[in-house]
Amino acid sequence: AQSVSQHNHHVILSEAASLELGCNYSYGGTVNLFWYVQYPGQHLQLLLKYFSGDPLVKGIKGFEAEFIKSKFSFNLRKPSVQWSDTAEYFCALGNSGNTPLVFGKGTRLSVIA
Amino acid sequence: GAGVSQTPSNKVTEKGKYVELRCDPISGHTALYWYRQSLGQGPEFLIYFQGTGAADDSGLPNDRFFAVRPEGSVSTLKIQRTERGDSAVYLCASSFSSGNTIYFGEGSWLTVV
Repeated sequence: AQSVSQHNHHVILSEAASLELGCNYSYGGTVNLFWYVQYPGQHLQLLLKYFSGDPLVKGIKGFEAEFIKSKFSFNLRKPSVQWSDTAEYFCALGNSGNTPLVFGKGTRLSVIA
Repeated sequence: GAGVSQTPSNKVTEKGKYVELRCDPISGHTALYWYRQSLGQGPEFLIYFQGTGAADDSGLPNDRFFAVRPEGSVSTLKIQRTERGDSAVYLCASSFSSGNTIYFGEGSWLTVV
């Protein structure tokens, strides 16, 4: 069975601090990996995705994530966070078969001035 | 429309009542998904359709939950004899095909009192 673990439930950072949110998955086959973001009062939006190729993926708003197959990880990073990055971040796992995405429980990020 | 549309955005119902939630996916998307999100949790898969047929309904919690997509576009999630534990945000999403990027609607907030 597929599963996704997000280690941090709530992260609080000051503006300009660097961010890394952990995501580990469990699945033995070829994976597609996603990070979704949910800003307060808004719907889930795609931040970035990895299907194949370069394991370092760049997304919108300066976010990036690195797929490390040996560690079953897909951590999200941003060198310098802004107050507007305050949101809930969800890691999700898919595969090439006919199975829907499996989501982690999410990490709430609060950025303070 | 340009995005996934869900109605109603909010629904308050009494315990034991019947509820229908509607989803209009992005035009041309053949795969449609229903997820449920409770407070502090990630989206939990309920059911997904490929075209008109339910390709995977393994996430439906019990036989009070049912979903249809009769013409391969709009879908309706139906909940019979609602219980207070059914209170959650019901999310609909669509994609060109399963396993790929899915695009979410705003969700329908269901409160059972």
